[in-house]
Amino acid sequence: NAGVTQTPKFRILKIGQSMTLQCTQDMNHNYMYWYRQDPGMGLKLIYYSVGAGITDKGEVPNGYNVSRSTTEDFPLRLELAAPSQTSVYFCASSYSVSSNQPQHFGDGTRLSIL
Amino acid sequence: DAKTTQPTSMDCAEGRAANLPCNHSTISGNEYVYWYRQIHSQGPQYIIHGLKNNETNEMASLIITEDRKSSTLILPHATLRDTAVYYCIVRVRQTGANNLFFGTGTRLTVIP
Repeated sequence: NAGVTQTPKFRILKIGQSMTLQCTQDMNHNYMYWYRQDPGMGLKLIYYSVGAGITDKGEVPNGYNVSRSTTEDFPLRLELAAPSQTSVYFCASSYSVSSNQPQHFGDGTRLSIL
Repeated sequence: DAKTTQPTSMDCAEGRAANLPCNHSTISGNEYVYWYRQIHSQGPQYIIHGLKNNETNEMASLIITEDRKSSTLILPHATLRDTAVYYCIVRVRQTGANNLFFGTGTRLTVIP
C-alpha cells in the first residue's frame, strides 16, 4: 500500500522559474492537503481540497496554485519561484472531514530557490 | 483550534517508557487530541488520537485527564528509532476541512 506519494523528493529552482509538485494517494481519500515546513518550525497549511473539482485556501496560499481533477491527484503549482518559498512541502490526505479521521502524509519535497 | 503547550525537548533511556506531556487548557468539548511524530527528513506520522477516554494502540498509549486540559503520550518501551519530534494537536472539525495546526513539538531523544 503506497499511501501518499510525492514527487520529486528534491528540487533546486532559480528565482522566477515555475514548477509543479506532484502528489497522489491510493487510499480513495476525498480530502487532500498541502503544507509547508520551514526549518525548525511546524507545518503550515497552503491549500486543501474536499473532493475532485473543489479547492480552498489555507493559512499561507500566496504564490501557489492547486487543482484537483481526480480523487487521487492534488498537484501544487509554483508560478514564479521566490527565495521565501524555499521549504519542505508535505502533501496529506484523509478519509473525511470528521475530526475523528487522521491525516496521512507523504515524505515531502525539499525545494530550494536560489 | 485550542492552543497546545509542550516541552521543547526530552530525553529517554532506551527500553524505558517515554512520557510526553501536553497542555491544552482551552480545549473545547468536541475537540480531539491528536499525536503525530516526525522522524528526521520524513513526513509526519500519525500515532494516536482520543476525545475523552484513554486510548491504546500498537504504537502508544494516550492518557487524557478527566478535565481534558492535559494529556500524556506514552511510548511503553522506547527504542532508538523513536527519536523524533512529537506534535500534540487539538482539532475540531472546521467548515470544509479538518486542518491540522502544528506547533513546534517536543524533540524526544532516546539515549542508548
